[in-house]
Amino acid sequence: NAGVTQTPKFRVLKTGQSMTLLCAQDMNHEYMYWYRQDPGMGLRLIHYSVGEGTTAKGEVPDGYNVSRLKKQNFLLGLESAAPSQTSVYFCASSYHGSYEQYFGPGTRLTVT
Amino acid sequence: DQQVKQNSPSLSVQEGRISILNCDYTNSMFDYFLWYKKYPAEGPTFLISISSIKDKNEDGRFTVFLNKSAKHLSLHIVPSQPGDSAVYFCAASGFGNEKLTFGTGTRLTIIP
Repeated sequence: NAGVTQTPKFRVLKTGQSMTLLCAQDMNHEYMYWYRQDPGMGLRLIHYSVGEGTTAKGEVPDGYNVSRLKKQNFLLGLESAAPSQTSVYFCASSYHGSYEQYFGPGTRLTVT
Repeated sequence: DQQVKQNSPSLSVQEGRISILNCDYTNSMFDYFLWYKKYPAEGPTFLISISSIKDKNEDGRFTVFLNKSAKHLSLHIVPSQPGDSAVYFCAASGFGNEKLTFGTGTRLTIIP
């Protein structure tokens, strides 16, 4: 099992560019999450999904969109990147009814 | 409003001694708590958890204590080993809530 994988690992964008981060899990988890980690801020929830075709906003959703077309994939989109979106992005997944989330290795995004 | 607080950004402990990491929360609806460990350039990994119906949970060298009246939990690592050097995040959730709220993390350094 690969667990939770994220693509790409690193990316540099210019302000105004768009990109999509891909998260995939092979554990048949129902729930998936996108977090961002910034110095001194911990992990903050951007968006999450409790099942295929469903998404919901987390704590810091502005400037991001998500889609969950397949159970195993959760995509995070930035339509017009801003320097404030420079961060490390983590995807996580969990079973329905479980508090324990499994995390991917992260994507380091820099917006210049 | 930070609902989960880790007031010590860093902690250094001699190898073999006890490491104590602290976490405070403000939301009285939280009833399940987790600790995650994170190495550089990796995603967080689950370490140990505790339900609000307990005040202690042990797993090998790791013990988590919960004081509900004080809204405080702590993670004890005994004995501390060099491989324990990492950032530790405290997280909390409410019953039936699929989301976790994370603290800002404590960087633990074990001195050989």
